[in-house]
Amino acid sequence: NAGVTQTPKFQVLKTGQSMTLQCAQDMNHNSMYWYRQDPGMGLRLIYYSASEGTTDKGEVPNGYNVSRLNKREFSLRLESAAPSQTSVYFCASSEAWTSRGTGELFFGEGSRLTVL
Amino acid sequence: GIQVEQSPPDLILQEGANSTLRCNFSDSVNNLQWFHQNPWGQLINLFYIPSGTKQNGRLSATTVATERYSLLYISSSQTTDSGVYFCAAAMIYNQGGKLIFGQGTELSVKP
Repeated sequence: NAGVTQTPKFQVLKTGQSMTLQCAQDMNHNSMYWYRQDPGMGLRLIYYSASEGTTDKGEVPNGYNVSRLNKREFSLRLESAAPSQTSVYFCASSEAWTSRGTGELFFGEGSRLTVL
Repeated sequence: GIQVEQSPPDLILQEGANSTLRCNFSDSVNNLQWFHQNPWGQLINLFYIPSGTKQNGRLSATTVATERYSLLYISSSQTTDSGVYFCAAAMIYNQGGKLIFGQGTELSVKP
């Protein structure tokens, strides 16, 4: 049982390059999330997908796109990377949030991205 | 949107000491979680606690939803408790929601 798996773990990009961060979960969770973590800023939500087929903006969506490929996979794309997108990116998943659901988040190990 | 504030920002303890971390949130929530990020960056869910009290070993958490705060208690701290503790809060809607994180409390436990 791998939980939440992110690839790649490390990536260096030049300004203007594009890349996609991949995330897959094997816990049959409905909801998936992408966060970024910067020093002193905590974790900020980029996009989330409450269920397969839906995506919504979080706190800091500018410069990113997402795709919920299927129930297991949720990818984050940087179309034209900028130095301000240098960060550690975390994918997470949870059960569907209902009035009785817990919605506990389970995180991947993170992907460290540097944009030069 | 919801604002989440944590205090203190930093805390240094001697091994064996107890501590209380606080999380204040600006609006009504029905999803409140505590996380521990270890020195290697791994994020672990400690508690899902939108209200009431829960205990797990030396850790316990209490949320008073009506007064918009949550507390995380660490008793008999160990060096392995070091790291950053985050709380996160949200209102659930549409089967999902924007779980917003506080800035964290960085805990260092000295042997």
